[in-house]
Amino acid sequence: AQSVTQLGSHVSVSEGALVLLRCNYSSSVPPYLFWYVQYPNQGLQLLLKYTSAATLVKGINGFEAEFKKSETSFHLTKPSAHMSDAAEYFCAVSDRNRDDKIIFGKGTRLHILP
Amino acid sequence: KAGVTQTPRYLIKTRGQQVTLSCSPISGHRSVSWYQQTPGQGLQFLFEYFSETQRNKGNFPGRFSGRQFSNSRSEMNVSTLELGDSALYLCASSLGLAGRHLNTGELFFGEGSRLTVL
Repeated sequence: AQSVTQLGSHVSVSEGALVLLRCNYSSSVPPYLFWYVQYPNQGLQLLLKYTSAATLVKGINGFEAEFKKSETSFHLTKPSAHMSDAAEYFCAVSDRNRDDKIIFGKGTRLHILP
Repeated sequence: KAGVTQTPRYLIKTRGQQVTLSCSPISGHRSVSWYQQTPGQGLQFLFEYFSETQRNKGNFPGRFSGRQFSNSRSEMNVSTLELGDSALYLCASSLGLAGRHLNTGELFFGEGSRLTVL
């Protein structure tokens, strides 16, 4: 069965600094991978997804993630943090070609320091 | 296009009571998934419904149940509430089954129903 591990339940970065949120997955078959963001008092919305095309995936709000099969990782990055990026971020995985559910990590809360 | 609508947004219940939460998916979406979100546990999968049939189920006790209607609207029910059931319950809809190839798994979430059990 697939699983997701997000390193760090809280990450703090200064405004303008690089954002790096880590995600490692486990899957018996090539996965679909996702990053979702949740702003306070809202549901989750999709930031970006990897579905076997380019390994470097660009998403909304300047975020991108790189699929690295050898490292079973799908880390989320943004070159320059903005105050509005403060939110909780969830990595998720699903197995391809299987009638299976989407599994989410426990989330990483991103804090932006002025 | 209207998004996913969940009702009620907030509710307070006492131990032993039951609760029913409702979810209206995006028009044309046939799959509805339910998740429980609690601090420290993240999102835990409850179940997924597609074409009125439960297609996937997470590791929750039988007190948690759901159903889907012919118009794709879904309800989930929790009976004999416990303090630990306090959580944000999120509903998400997708075109097809959430994990299937054709759909690529994108979920569209509602804002959730926040349940407090006293």
